[in-house]
Amino acid sequence: KQEVTQIPAALSVPEGENLVLNCSFTDSAIYNLQWFRQDPGKGLTSLLLIQSSQREQTSGRLNASLDKSSGRSTLYIAASQPGDSATYLCAVTGNQFYFGTGTSLTVIP
Amino acid sequence: DAGVIQSPRHEVTEMGQEVTLRCKPISGHDYLFWYRQTMMRGLELLIYFNNNVPIDDSGMPEDRFSAKMPNASFSTLKIQPSEPRDSAVYFCASSPRLQGLGNTGELFFGEGSRLTVL
Repeated sequence: KQEVTQIPAALSVPEGENLVLNCSFTDSAIYNLQWFRQDPGKGLTSLLLIQSSQREQTSGRLNASLDKSSGRSTLYIAASQPGDSATYLCAVTGNQFYFGTGTSLTVIP
Repeated sequence: DAGVIQSPRHEVTEMGQEVTLRCKPISGHDYLFWYRQTMMRGLELLIYFNNNVPIDDSGMPEDRFSAKMPNASFSTLKIQPSEPRDSAVYFCASSPRLQGLGNTGELFFGEGSRLTVL
């Protein structure tokens, strides 16, 4: 069974810092990997989706990379802002979607 | 498109009562998923449908839980009888399809239904 792990579980950084969130998965036979953001009391909002044939995707200050062979993905956030504070989850797609437990990010003004 | 729509957003009920959660997926999406989220267990897949047919319900915790999708635009998740340990946020999500040529396989979530069972 696919297992998805996100480390660290929580991260606190001062505003303006660049940061990296990690996601690892045990089965490399995936179709794609998706990064989500979840604000307190809200649903999950899709940030970036990387197809299995791709190495990275970029959207604004966000850059996600995928290394299928090593079972890893990273989400890079440049010049972090307080508004980036949220929980970030990754999900890999096999015969269904498998979610990590998330990283809770706090950006301190 | 309005996105995935769930109702109610909040439900407070007493133990033993029946609870029905509703979901309207994005039009044209073939897949519909029901998830449960708690602090202790994170996001858990309960059941998912493909073209209105239940594909995998192995995540449904007990016989007290049931889900239906009578048509492509509506699904329900029912808990009868409800128990305090069912308290959680229940999410519905939909996807065009899991994978395929020319398709992103992106997953879209509703805002969730927060259930509290007293």
